[in-house]
Amino acid sequence: GGIITQTPKFLIGQEGQKLTLKCQQNFNHDTMYWYRQDSGKGLRLIYYSITENDLQKGDLSEGYDASREKKSSFSLTVTSAQKNEMAVFLCASSIAGAPSAETLYFGSGTRLTVL
Amino acid sequence: GDQVEQSPSALSLHEGTGSALRCNFTTTMRAVQWFRKNSRGSLINLFYLASGTKENGRLKSAFDSKERYSTLHIRDAQLEDSGTYFCAARTGGYKVVFGSGTRLLVSP
Repeated sequence: GGIITQTPKFLIGQEGQKLTLKCQQNFNHDTMYWYRQDSGKGLRLIYYSITENDLQKGDLSEGYDASREKKSSFSLTVTSAQKNEMAVFLCASSIAGAPSAETLYFGSGTRLTVL
Repeated sequence: GDQVEQSPSALSLHEGTGSALRCNFTTTMRAVQWFRKNSRGSLINLFYLASGTKENGRLKSAFDSKERYSTLHIRDAQLEDSGTYFCAARTGGYKVVFGSGTRLLVSP
């Protein structure tokens, strides 16, 4: 089995600050995702990456950058933290190209607090 | 854009009863996955379906790509089934979009 590790678990930043969240997976999965979950709401897709060095914008990409420099890692940067961005950020991964087996696996999340 | 409409948003069940959650899709999806969010906030995978139905214990899920919906049936609900359930649908590409969740409360 594999694991998805998100760091840090808790991130506290100042308004306007640039903040980076990291995600590592050892499944050898092709595709990785970043989602944002606000309290009481569903997950919204920020960025995803089909393979190393690929980046695709999701529905909520404005205000974020992402980087997939290695197959195993996918980082997300909040370019200028805002107070309304306090949320849990979830990283996920899956294999690609096998429609019957593209199960999405999640990390345990990074909780962002902006002061 | 691609949308997933999940219903109901909240559901209360007495122990031993059952019900169904549903996700409707605005476009053709090629697979669906159902999750439950546990008490620690982790998303637990329940089912992944590219077609047809799957059953696991008291849970059963169906996915009809052509009719653009998926369901999750819970029977003989137990207290530990309480939590928030999400469906997530995979588009024709690699994008995966989530429903807004169903908060299930099972009471004695």
